[in-house]
Amino acid sequence: QQQVKQSPQSLIVQKGGISIINCAYENTAFDYFPWYQQFPGKGPALLIAIRPDVSEKKEGRFTISFNKSAKQFSLHIMDSQPGDSATYFCAASIRNDYKLSFGAGTTVTVRA
Amino acid sequence: GAGVSQSPSNKVTEKGKDVELRCDPISGHTALYWYRQSLGQGLEFLIYFQGNSAPDKSGLPSDRFSAERTGGSVSTLTIQRTQQEDSAVYLCASSPRQGRGNIQYFGAGTRLSVL
Repeated sequence: QQQVKQSPQSLIVQKGGISIINCAYENTAFDYFPWYQQFPGKGPALLIAIRPDVSEKKEGRFTISFNKSAKQFSLHIMDSQPGDSATYFCAASIRNDYKLSFGAGTTVTVRA
Repeated sequence: GAGVSQSPSNKVTEKGKDVELRCDPISGHTALYWYRQSLGQGLEFLIYFQGNSAPDKSGLPSDRFSAERTGGSVSTLTIQRTQQEDSAVYLCASSPRQGRGNIQYFGAGTRLSVL
């Protein structure tokens, strides 16, 4: 049973557009929500992460929005670039717990 | 510095054979994880090692899967009597015990194909 549900499975966006990926969770004990980015042939790498004491975190063109009451969080990629084409995974864990529960991944394709 | 290293990068085997996958974590990282990545399925947790503590094997899908970590560093994931459904990318990750908490640093994975 997947503890974190991620959508969409894939998306295509034009260069300069906004990519939005959504994740939902059920376990209210989760309090750490990272996003990982994976390029073909590479392992996932941490992109950005948020804890539930804030509703938004921004790093460059990447923003996480967090809605604790709805148990949802999302990744926004602003001004999407072809170099952002990758698979993105959301994840969740309990603070200081070693296990990350991953979503199924979203493949983003940015067309020039 | 060097990242997480996995070998081989690709492995093709015949059904019923045993395979060993190797992971060299980042030097000084005491935590090591194995995941399985199947197409469209995300990352499936397999096993976790932390220092000298007993490993968490709760994610291993069957008794054909086992892993060990020697000297608190290199880890080997062994799959016995491979089946076609074992075909996937096997990822290893490591993390420091303190400081950056849950951040896991992944290797590039081993792509296993069982014919």
